[in-house]
Amino acid sequence: DAGITQSPRHKVTETGTPVTLRCHQTENHRYMYWYRQDPGHGLRLIHYSYGVKDTDKGEVSDGYSVSRSKTEDFLLTLESATSSQTSVYFCAISKGQGEKLFFGSGTQLSVL
Amino acid sequence: GQQLNQSPQSMFIQEGEDVSMNCTSSSIFNTWLWYKQDPGEGPVLLIALYKAGELTSNGRLTAQFGITRKDSFLNISASIPSDVGIYFCAGRRRTGNQFYFGTGTSLTVIP
Repeated sequence: DAGITQSPRHKVTETGTPVTLRCHQTENHRYMYWYRQDPGHGLRLIHYSYGVKDTDKGEVSDGYSVSRSKTEDFLLTLESATSSQTSVYFCAISKGQGEKLFFGSGTQLSVL
Repeated sequence: GQQLNQSPQSMFIQEGEDVSMNCTSSSIFNTWLWYKQDPGEGPVLLIALYKAGELTSNGRLTAQFGITRKDSFLNISASIPSDVGIYFCAGRRRTGNQFYFGTGTSLTVIP
């Protein structure tokens, strides 16, 4: 158990509504990441954070924003959800740059 | 984005058989990670590799960092039913923080 909690575990929402997913860690790791997992694509990086208030984009960042106001929490926001954002979202943490990634249990998001 | 080719896509094997899977990249990587994912759960780290040629074991699992630094291999010996799941490779280039993931190998073990 890597001390990562994602909430909610499941969410169904409608197109055009805002959605926020939360990742909470108890490991005090500096790096936190948001990935999405879709069939045929593997895991793809959305955004990551390398410290409080320090974030950067990944390869599929369009339509997503993130915030990190505390070391332990990393929020992913879909400002206006679209059906293409239906996916399983995973949070991951690592102690340092390029070090092992540890994943949470995921959030299944369905946008209808 | 970076493409990692993972093969085979799926495997159906008898309990007790050995399993081999691999991951190849068009880029040179400095780090390779291997994960296993069960349905409804997040990926769990199995093995991490940091040097070309490195061979690392974790119980019945053995992974190798390819000499060319563009590939990695995972072997499972004497498979058991609980080995069922999807296995992912992930690699990171020398520069940059991002890990790129393969599309997974689905393993089914027939008792």
